[in-house]
Amino acid sequence: GQQVMQIPQYQHVQEGEDFTTYCNSSTTLSNIQWYKQRPGGHPVFLIQLVKSGEVKKQKRLTFQFGEAKKNSSLHITATQTTDVGTYFCADRSGNTGKLIFGQGTTLQVKP
Amino acid sequence: NAGVTQTPKFQVLKTGQSMTLQCAQDMNHNSMYWYRQDPGMGLRLIYYSASEGTTDKGEVPNGYNVSRLNKREFSLRLESAAPSQTSVYFCASSEFRGASYEQYFGPGTRLTVT
Repeated sequence: GQQVMQIPQYQHVQEGEDFTTYCNSSTTLSNIQWYKQRPGGHPVFLIQLVKSGEVKKQKRLTFQFGEAKKNSSLHITATQTTDVGTYFCADRSGNTGKLIFGQGTTLQVKP
Repeated sequence: NAGVTQTPKFQVLKTGQSMTLQCAQDMNHNSMYWYRQDPGMGLRLIYYSASEGTTDKGEVPNGYNVSRLNKREFSLRLESAAPSQTSVYFCASSEFRGASYEQYFGPGTRLTVT
């Protein structure tokens, strides 16, 4: 069935370093959404990518959708302690509102 | 607007006990979802309801039942709890309109089955 693989599972960085998480699929991704979950919290929507090759930025966060729509990435420039949490990508399942989530990447930032 | 609310926040059950997790949204969304979250497994869909009066199975429906009581409320029932159902449960809602379908999550219910 439809699967979304996310790597790495964990990442520890020093504050100020960059961070990237990758979302991959063996099949063509439909639309990719990215969510952030703070420790002890619930997932919160960050952004949606729809078009092949699309790049969107939110302050220090850069989101990309691969040209072949088989991968996506989230890059954080100069991490801050407020970036701590788990980042999930999710792909739409078929022609419905259902999402298939990746396993998530947990980011720890050392001050 | 409260968004998506869930009750209870925490629950401890003994094996074989039953309980219902409640979820309500005040955003007038048509679609509602139940997920479970386990370490290293991401969010897995248990059941969803595309609109009032309809429900459908997700990836991990065994051991659960759902009721879409009305447009606002979507409950999840564990008839006979098992230790494997120890997890964090999230309810979410969305309005699926073409390409726009972000999901809004509730605060979660942390369930332990002993």
